[in-house]
Amino acid sequence: GENVEQHPSTLSVQEGDSAVIKCTYSDSASNYFPWYKQELGKGPQLIIDIRSNVGEKKDQRIAVTLNKTAKHFSLHITETQPEDSAVYFCAASKFNNDMRFGAGTRLTVKP
Amino acid sequence: DAGVIQSPRHEVTEMGQEVTLRCKPISGHNSLFWYRQTMMRGLELLIYFNNNVPIDDSGMPEDRFSAKMPNASFSTLKIQPSEPRDSAVYFCASTIRGVIYGYTFGSGTRLTVV
Repeated sequence: GENVEQHPSTLSVQEGDSAVIKCTYSDSASNYFPWYKQELGKGPQLIIDIRSNVGEKKDQRIAVTLNKTAKHFSLHITETQPEDSAVYFCAASKFNNDMRFGAGTRLTVKP
Repeated sequence: DAGVIQSPRHEVTEMGQEVTLRCKPISGHNSLFWYRQTMMRGLELLIYFNNNVPIDDSGMPEDRFSAKMPNASFSTLKIQPSEPRDSAVYFCASTIRGVIYGYTFGSGTRLTVV
């Protein structure tokens, strides 16, 4: 089955700096790669996603890149703000079934 | 839309007792997933349903765990008997099968077995 690895497990940045979280996946048939943000006491919330036929996608301060050959994808957050502090999860799936998650990255943005 | 609704939000029970967690998916979503979240193991997929039919339950840890989806708007996850190591946050999520689309998660049930 699919195995998703995520790094780093914790990340601390100064407000205004950029943050990058990286993930690798094992199943070359995976074609959908979402990113979720989880705040304390809440369920994971989808923030951005990318499909295997696209190399990069941007939404305001967040962007995701995908390298299918290397089987890795990354989340980039620019101009970080304290409200970006949360746990971020990457995930991979085939046709939206059986989604497997990375272990999560705890991002802290220091004011 | 009210989103995915889970109940209860918190459950504290004694070891050996039966526990039932409930989930109402988003109307129109035809796939439902149960995940368990712990510090040690992260988010683990327990079981998922397509059109109310269980598709893959290979993540269910033991026979003590069972899940049902009697109709498109309701699912249960039951643990009988419960053990302290079952303590975790259990999430339900739903989506539209056949469309490449993210999952919508509920707020979770925090289960503590003492």
